[in-house]
Amino acid sequence: QKEVEQNSGPLSVPEGAIASLNCTYSDRVSQSFFWYRQYSGKSPELIMSIYSNGDKEDGRFTAQLNKASQYVSLLIRDSQPSDSATYLCAVNSGGTSYGKLTFGQGTILTVHP
Amino acid sequence: NAGVTQTPKFRILKIGQSMTLQCTQDMNHNYMYWYRQDPGMGLKLIYYSVGAGITDKGEVPNGYNVSRSTTEDFPLRLELAAPSQTSVYFCASSYSGGRDEQFFGPGTRLTVL
Repeated sequence: QKEVEQNSGPLSVPEGAIASLNCTYSDRVSQSFFWYRQYSGKSPELIMSIYSNGDKEDGRFTAQLNKASQYVSLLIRDSQPSDSATYLCAVNSGGTSYGKLTFGQGTILTVHP
Repeated sequence: NAGVTQTPKFRILKIGQSMTLQCTQDMNHNYMYWYRQDPGMGLKLIYYSVGAGITDKGEVPNGYNVSRSTTEDFPLRLELAAPSQTSVYFCASSYSGGRDEQFFGPGTRLTVL
């Protein structure tokens, strides 16, 4: 069974700090990786996607992928109180699982002023 | 563009009752998905569809049925509701599988008593 595990939370960081969120996955042939943000009582929204080894930056967000270690992370620089949410890691294994995402359990992030 | 819409927003069912959760998207997406999210957990795929007339099971299909007669609509049917089906249900859509972003509806909060 494909598994996606995220670092246990909740994670609390002060405003302006770097928040680091981690995710490991079990299916070695996984091809696409996504980070979704979910505010309390709302639906998930995509903030980052990454497909190749290395770093991908978008504003204050950086996604990092290491397929050899089966590890994907999300860094949030200059964290703001508005970043307080649950962050969900999702993995698409491709092949016969094309289009099907497996989600981690989520990490709750709190940014305090 | 309304995006992905879901009805109802909230529903309370008695054990053994049936209901249909409605999902409509106006983005001309081929792929549509149904997820459930239990408290403090990630999303689990119930069923998905890659186009009108084509559906397939996800990770947790038992107790649910789907149909897809049009590109826009993907209703989820609950037969003989059980307390274990108490959850928040999200519908999502994407243009294709793989690397495409999945867009989520606002969710339906279902309680079975």
